[in-house]
Amino acid sequence: SAVISQKPSRDICQRGTSLTIQCQVDSQVTMMFWYRQQPGQSLTLIATANQGSEATYESGFVIDKFPISRPNLTFSTLTVSNMSPEDSSIYLCSVRTGANNSPLHFGNGTRLTVT
Amino acid sequence: QKEVEQNSGPLSVPEGAIASLNCTYSDRGSQSFFWYRQYSGKSPELIMSIYSNGDKEDGRFTAQLNKASQYVSLLIRDSQPSDSATYLCAVNQGGKLIFGQGTELSVKP
Repeated sequence: SAVISQKPSRDICQRGTSLTIQCQVDSQVTMMFWYRQQPGQSLTLIATANQGSEATYESGFVIDKFPISRPNLTFSTLTVSNMSPEDSSIYLCSVRTGANNSPLHFGNGTRLTVT
Repeated sequence: QKEVEQNSGPLSVPEGAIASLNCTYSDRGSQSFFWYRQYSGKSPELIMSIYSNGDKEDGRFTAQLNKASQYVSLLIRDSQPSDSATYLCAVNQGGKLIFGQGTELSVKP
């Protein structure tokens, strides 16, 4: 499976600031997704990162808060904007390398703490 | 109503026993199903995929799917302390994976 490098691995940020998380894959992938995992919770899909076009956001997530870029088939960024303590979570990049019914593989995640 | 439901646990089993993890889903159109294992502080790791009704075995793991009942399960035979983790059920809905809340498994030596 693809090797997914996500950075930073962790960060502590002040409220009101923004953080950009990078996801680099060692091969071209068909789909890239961003998930959030709040403390003690399961994974919630934020958006699908579309290559060359605007991301597709899930209910409850908006582009102004979580702008996403995907300039090519191996790279994507997620920005968490104007952060508040409620944004403290693990953010996970995931990729699909096969057909639409194939599983996702995850990067190591970014553990974000907002103070 | 949650789209993918699991018992949150914790489920505690003795070493060597069979651990049984269950998952139900609401979207009848779902065609692919996955089990992930997540150790504390780590990202989810795929352990099983299942696409058709019946059982699929891989080593100590067996996934079971019943689309009519909208039910997926994972059996872990000869459970080991190293199997202690949270197990996440994921259902493919329109190309997106929707996750259950996870079941925490604890295997006691």
